[in-house]
Amino acid sequence: QVQLVESGRGVVQPGRSLRLSCVASGFTFSSYGMHWVRQAPGKGLEWVAVIWYDGTYKYYTDSVKGRFTISRDNSENTLYLQMNGLRDEDTAVYYCARESTLVRGALDHWGQGTLVTVSA
Amino acid sequence: EIVLTQSPGTLSLSPGERATLSCRASQSISSSYLAWYQQKPGQAPRLLIYGASSRATGIPDRFSGSGSGTDFTLTISRLEPEDLAVYYCQYCDNPPNNFGQGTKLEIK
Repeated sequence: QVQLVESGRGVVQPGRSLRLSCVASGFTFSSYGMHWVRQAPGKGLEWVAVIWYDGTYKYYTDSVKGRFTISRDNSENTLYLQMNGLRDEDTAVYYCARESTLVRGALDHWGQGTLVTVSA
Repeated sequence: EIVLTQSPGTLSLSPGERATLSCRASQSISSSYLAWYQQKPGQAPRLLIYGASSRATGIPDRFSGSGSGTDFTLTISRLEPEDLAVYYCQYCDNPPNNFGQGTKLEIK
């Protein structure tokens, strides 16, 4: 079955960096677009970034452009989110999600999420 | 950039009743690119509806989606206690693939 397992949770100081990983299994990872979505404590879902199946296209929400980088290693079935210059407002549970092949952008499988806390 | 506005913010209904949740887009979008998700407390979101009206795998037929242009609706007929959740719509075409702010469904 499809599984997405995020890791990299932690408490970091403002301005520092953190890299999240998402290991995929149960499907052909290299055939799917992948997304990161985050959810601040008690808040709604916020879409963060997308990467095409082959890594040739990436797009970010405005609030993370220039600070976050999405990437993937298809040989390792792993999605990454490199987060630099972290701010208090980046505190959230970060989910990786697989893009559906039925409709571009719809997210048909999600990981359990990993908590990132940015605090001095 | 497409902004999605959901209403109401909170909906409180009894088991067996029908729930009607609204999602309005800031400009007309193709219905092919409107999705709905359910997020139960403490869980990751789950895809319910894609293409505005197609149910995802394993979703019961109590859940249905409709709409076009700027106005979309998620209907849950015959509410069950397990439907307690926050429901989000999402724009799925060209990024950013924004979500609405969510509707919290409470079961009396």
